Amino acid sequence: DGGITQSPKYLFRKEGQNVTLSCEQNLNHDAMYWYRQDPGQGLRLIYYSQIVNDFQKGDIAEGYSVSREKKESFPLTVTSAQKNPTAFYLCASSRDSQYEKLFFGSGTQLSVL
Amino acid sequence: AQSVAQPEDQVNVAEGNPLTVKCTYSVSGNPYLFWYVQYPNRGLQFLLKYITGDNLVKGSYGFEAEFNKSQTSFHLKKPSALVSDSALYFCAVRDDQAGTALIFGKGTTLSVSS
Repeated sequence: DGGITQSPKYLFRKEGQNVTLSCEQNLNHDAMYWYRQDPGQGLRLIYYSQIVNDFQKGDIAEGYSVSREKKESFPLTVTSAQKNPTAFYLCASSRDSQYEKLFFGSGTQLSVL
Repeated sequence: AQSVAQPEDQVNVAEGNPLTVKCTYSVSGNPYLFWYVQYPNRGLQFLLKYITGDNLVKGSYGFEAEFNKSQTSFHLKKPSALVSDSALYFCAVRDDQAGTALIFGKGTTLSVSS
């Protein structure tokens, strides 16, 4: 089945540690996105990529980094510079068009130990 | 800059009654508008979208939304609510002249009682 796979489902980070969240899609979509979800704040855009080897910062990119070396993969690294990383992280993809809908993964819950 | 607002944190409705979840937006150009639903600990599922054309858009699970350009609104509606409609609903907008990604509202929790 086609879709978006996020892993792991749950992730724990220690102080000063970088962690990487995986996002893989087999929908042959050009565009991929990372959103952060906090209770009462909705979804906030972290980074997005419209094509391989290119990506743009969203509204809350500080403390995060991404790469887009393959069309299928868009991993998100939460660095030690992100002081409040506890949140639910959602990855999405879409065909490269402004009016195309997003397909979402099932999310990763990141918590700080 | 583009933005979207959902003025109600929670909407409560009895099963069988009509429901409305409100959304207003602000863009510089023309809006592309979307509604998504999220069930607990899951990703978001697409319900419907407005790009152009008829102001009344029909989507999944019997939901519909009405685009009102003068009021910059895109309210989600359903004629008869089901208990299974209880979930978190997000409105989202993209500005056709901004070239950015989809921007989401803060979400509205819909609670349907039996």
